[in-house]
Amino acid sequence: QLQLQESGPGLVKPSETLSLTCTVSGGSIRSGGEYYWGWIRQPPGKGLDWIGSIDYSGVAYYNASLKSRLTISVDTSKKQFYLKLRSVTAADTAVYYCARQDGYFESWGQGTLVTVSS
Amino acid sequence: DIQMTQSPSSLSASVGDRVTITCRASQGIGIYLAWFQQKPGKAPKTLIYAGSTLQGGVPSRFSGSGSGTHFSLTISSLQPEDFATYFCQQYDAHPFTFGPGTKVDIK
Repeated sequence: QLQLQESGPGLVKPSETLSLTCTVSGGSIRSGGEYYWGWIRQPPGKGLDWIGSIDYSGVAYYNASLKSRLTISVDTSKKQFYLKLRSVTAADTAVYYCARQDGYFESWGQGTLVTVSS
Repeated sequence: DIQMTQSPSSLSASVGDRVTITCRASQGIGIYLAWFQQKPGKAPKTLIYAGSTLQGGVPSRFSGSGSGTHFSLTISSLQPEDFATYFCQQYDAHPFTFGPGTKVDIK
């Protein structure tokens, strides 16, 4: 059974870089290449926002609203993909989810809360 | 960007009720729509994709319909574990966008 697990600091200072890792178990990131691996976030008490997605070869698609601050990368040998969001503000405070994407988001991690505060 | 709207934003219902939630897209998205259930403090759970295809393991009381710009999620007989917030999401075009959610609570 595929499982995804987010990890990273729960507190980031304003203007710094938010870095998260998603570790995949019970399956391969390569998986024949048909899947994308995505990041989604949810500010407290609010709805869901797609951040960006990447395939096993490193082809990434970003939400244009975050593109100037965002890097998503993948390491298939470690079965991990990564999120880096630069110059964060309080507006970036959210629960961050990683997910496997077959068009739609089919399997989700449990999420990790990241708070931006000094 | 494709805007997704949902109605109602919340509803109160009783166990055994039939419940229908509507999702509309600001432009046609074919059948590229998914539905998710989310309980407080938990990750979303995928219920339906391609407008009407049930994700594996999801009870058959959940069903989806629609195409183009108008979609619906129906729970045929509401169970206690179904009280949650439901989101739709289009995956026809980047950026993928979600509806604002419909909270289903106990009457």
